[in-house]
Amino acid sequence: EIVLTQSPGTLSLSPGERATLSCRASQTVTSSYLAWYQQKPGQAPRLLIYGASNRATGIPDRFSGSGSGTDFTLTISRLEPEDFAVYYCQEYGSSPPVTFGQGTRLEIK
Amino acid sequence: QVQLVESGGGVVQPGGSLRLSCAASGFTFSNYGMQWVRQAPGKRLEWVTFIRYDGSVKSYAGSVEGRFTISRDNSKSTLYLQMNSLTAEDTALYYCARVRGSGWFDYWGQGTLVTVSS
Repeated sequence: EIVLTQSPGTLSLSPGERATLSCRASQTVTSSYLAWYQQKPGQAPRLLIYGASNRATGIPDRFSGSGSGTDFTLTISRLEPEDFAVYYCQEYGSSPPVTFGQGTRLEIK
Repeated sequence: QVQLVESGGGVVQPGGSLRLSCAASGFTFSNYGMQWVRQAPGKRLEWVTFIRYDGSVKSYAGSVEGRFTISRDNSKSTLYLQMNSLTAEDTALYYCARVRGSGWFDYWGQGTLVTVSS
């Protein structure tokens, strides 16, 4: 089972700044089968990125994903107030089981 | 538009059972694999179980294997999760989610809360 470790645990930034979130896998992720989700309090997760770098339908282009192998990154180029949330990465190349990272909380500084 | 609506959660005693449902609409349910994912209060997302679009393949997390059963009724566009021998560790918000491509989840329901407590 692949273990995903996200860093940092909490990221404090201001609107307009750039956010860089990391997701590191314990083994190589097959074919870059990695997704990113955003979750706001009291809401279901929302798909942002799949296949490491493909934006889901309706996701603004300020969100981008990159990486391969064991190291992946979600970048938000210019933070909007609505972007402050918890972000999870998910690996699905070796499923089952599907695994999620522990999350990065992006908070307003 | 795609909608997934979970129901069936509630408070149950340890050792008890519950059956969750997920009613799907806005897409051809029988064409998609489906999954259940849960989230304990303040914790990360945890994958629970998967079922193939036709019900022919099912897989479970080790923590629920032998206690939970996933099923679907494509004629009713509904996904189910039968949960038996519940313990406090099963307390969580349970989400159903549609599977796309090789296994990412493009639509999620709002979740149904299961609380296991005496």
